[in-house]
Amino acid sequence: AQSVTQLGSHVSVSEGALVLLRCNYSSSVPPYLFWYVQYPNQGLQLLLKYTSAATLVKGINGFEAEFKKSETSFHLTKPSAHMSDAAEYFCAVSDRPGNTPLVFGKGTRLSVIA
Amino acid sequence: NAGVTQTPKFQVLKTGQSMTLQCAQDMNHEYMSWYRQDPGMGLRLIHYSVGAGITDQGEVPNGYNVSRSTTEDFPLRLLSAAPSQTSVYFCASSYSREVGNQPQHFGDGTRLSIL
Repeated sequence: AQSVTQLGSHVSVSEGALVLLRCNYSSSVPPYLFWYVQYPNQGLQLLLKYTSAATLVKGINGFEAEFKKSETSFHLTKPSAHMSDAAEYFCAVSDRPGNTPLVFGKGTRLSVIA
Repeated sequence: NAGVTQTPKFQVLKTGQSMTLQCAQDMNHEYMSWYRQDPGMGLRLIHYSVGAGITDQGEVPNGYNVSRSTTEDFPLRLLSAAPSQTSVYFCASSYSREVGNQPQHFGDGTRLSIL
């Protein structure tokens, strides 16, 4: 069965600094991978998705993630943090052929300091 | 196009009471699911449905019932509320073909407290 580990329940960065949120997955088959963002008192929104077309995936709001099969990782990055990026971020995985529900990580709360 | 609508947004119950959390979507999505979100636990799947008349259990189904009589609606029933069911509940939907490859559309959640 697939699983996701997000390293760090809370990450704090200064405004303008690099954002790096870590996600490692476990899957017996090539996975589909997702990053979702949750702003306070809202549901989750899709940031980006890995489908195997390219290992570097670009998402909304300047975020991107790189799929590294050898490291079973799908870390989320943004070159320069903005105050509006403060939110909770979830990594999620589903096995191919993709007929099973998503499994979510426990989330990482990102704080941005002015 | 309202997306995924959850009602109520907030609810306080007493232990032993029953209630139904409503979820409706207007995107003609076949796949619908319920998650609960607890601090430090992420989102855990309660029940899901791949179409009208078809439901299945997720990771944490005990104490919850679901039914899917229409494509649009997927209510979640708490049979006898317990304090351990205090949580934020999210409904999500997507197309059912290769559901694991589909972006999930989430509602804004129902915040439920059991006293």
